[in-house]
Amino acid sequence: NAGVTQTPKFQVLKTGQSMTLQCAQDMNHEYMSWYRQDPGMGLRLIHYSVGAGITDQGEVPNGYNVSRSTTEDFPLRLLSAAPSQTSVYFCASSYGGGRTEAFFGQGTRLTVV
Amino acid sequence: SQQGEEDPQALSIQEGENATMNCSYKTSINNLQWYRQNSGRGLVHLILIRSNEREKHSGRLRVTLDTSKKSSSLLITASRAADTASYFCAWSGSNYKLTFGKGTLLTVNP
Repeated sequence: NAGVTQTPKFQVLKTGQSMTLQCAQDMNHEYMSWYRQDPGMGLRLIHYSVGAGITDQGEVPNGYNVSRSTTEDFPLRLLSAAPSQTSVYFCASSYGGGRTEAFFGQGTRLTVV
Repeated sequence: SQQGEEDPQALSIQEGENATMNCSYKTSINNLQWYRQNSGRGLVHLILIRSNEREKHSGRLRVTLDTSKKSSSLLITASRAADTASYFCAWSGSNYKLTFGKGTLLTVNP
């Protein structure tokens, strides 16, 4: 099993550009989440999903959109990138949300110039 | 902010010594988890302790939970250079979301 796969691993964007960070899991988990990690800030929840067709906002949702059309995929969209979105982004999935262990992808390092 | 605190922020020890990291959180929880992150990599789950448990062991890891003080500790015994990593606590309440602390950077010197 591949687990949680994120693409790309690295990306440089210009301010105002849009892009989609991809996340796929092959464990048939209902729960998927996106976090951003900034120095000294730990991981902060951006958006999460409790199943196909259901998404909700986390702690820092502004500037990001998500959708969940299938159980396997949970893409994160930046509609108009800003330097404040420079960060490392992690996707995670779990069987039972916060009730069970989460499995993380390897991360996408995004720089907005 | 919903985030708690972890201390110390950084810890440097010699191989063979024990390492203790502490975590405080702010809400009622269903469980508390500890994760490890090697530099530049994703997080890996270490251990989960439920709110009705006080202590849990896994290999060289010992986790305690004090819900009255809203705190947890992670003890790594007989540490090795390979234990060098960042360690994060994370907790979940009734809404099933996972909230992370800010982490402790552990350096184990050979």
